[in-house]
Amino acid sequence: EVVLTQSPDTLSLSPGERATLSCRASQSVGRYLAWYQQQPGQAPRLLIYDTSHRATGIPARFSGSGSETDFTLTISSLEPEDSAVYYCQHRSNWPITFGQGTRLEI
Amino acid sequence: QVQLVESGGGVVQPGRSLRLSCAASGFTFSSSVMHWVRQAPGKGLEWVDAISHDGTKIYYADSVKGRFTISRDNSKNTLYLEMNSLRPDDTAVYYCAGGPTIDYWGQGTLVTVSS
Repeated sequence: EVVLTQSPDTLSLSPGERATLSCRASQSVGRYLAWYQQQPGQAPRLLIYDTSHRATGIPARFSGSGSETDFTLTISSLEPEDSAVYYCQHRSNWPITFGQGTRLEI
Repeated sequence: QVQLVESGGGVVQPGRSLRLSCAASGFTFSSSVMHWVRQAPGKGLEWVDAISHDGTKIYYADSVKGRFTISRDNSKNTLYLEMNSLRPDDTAVYYCAGGPTIDYWGQGTLVTVSS
């Protein structure tokens, strides 16, 4: 089973700042790494799939990079509505697993 | 417009069973791998299981293997989760999810296992 470890656990930033969230895999997942945003009381929303592809309707300020075991989600200029928990997830093999999440406070 | 609507959640005693359903619309359900993902109160996301588009391939997390059964009826655009031998640590919001890159999610249904 691939273990995904996210860092930091919590990130506190101001509007307009840049956020960098990390996800490290215990073994290579190729480029099959996705990022989800979850706001309180809501279902997760896909932001990025296959490392760097933005999902439909996702603003350009969200970008993803990385490969194999080290991945990054970057939010270039934070908006207040970006306050949420962010999860990485791999689908390179079974079982699919999620990281423990990073809470982003704006 | 893509919609996934879960139903069947509720309060159940430990050791009992429950069946969840997920009605899909707005996309080609019969072509999509479908998943159940759960989230215990205040915790992170946990993938539960998945079923191929035609139901021939099924995958389970170790935590539910042997107790949960995923199935689908493509003629009804519906996904199911049969949960047996429920335990208190199965208490969670259960989400139905699918799509080419797991981009479609329902709003979830709460299952509470408690005596």
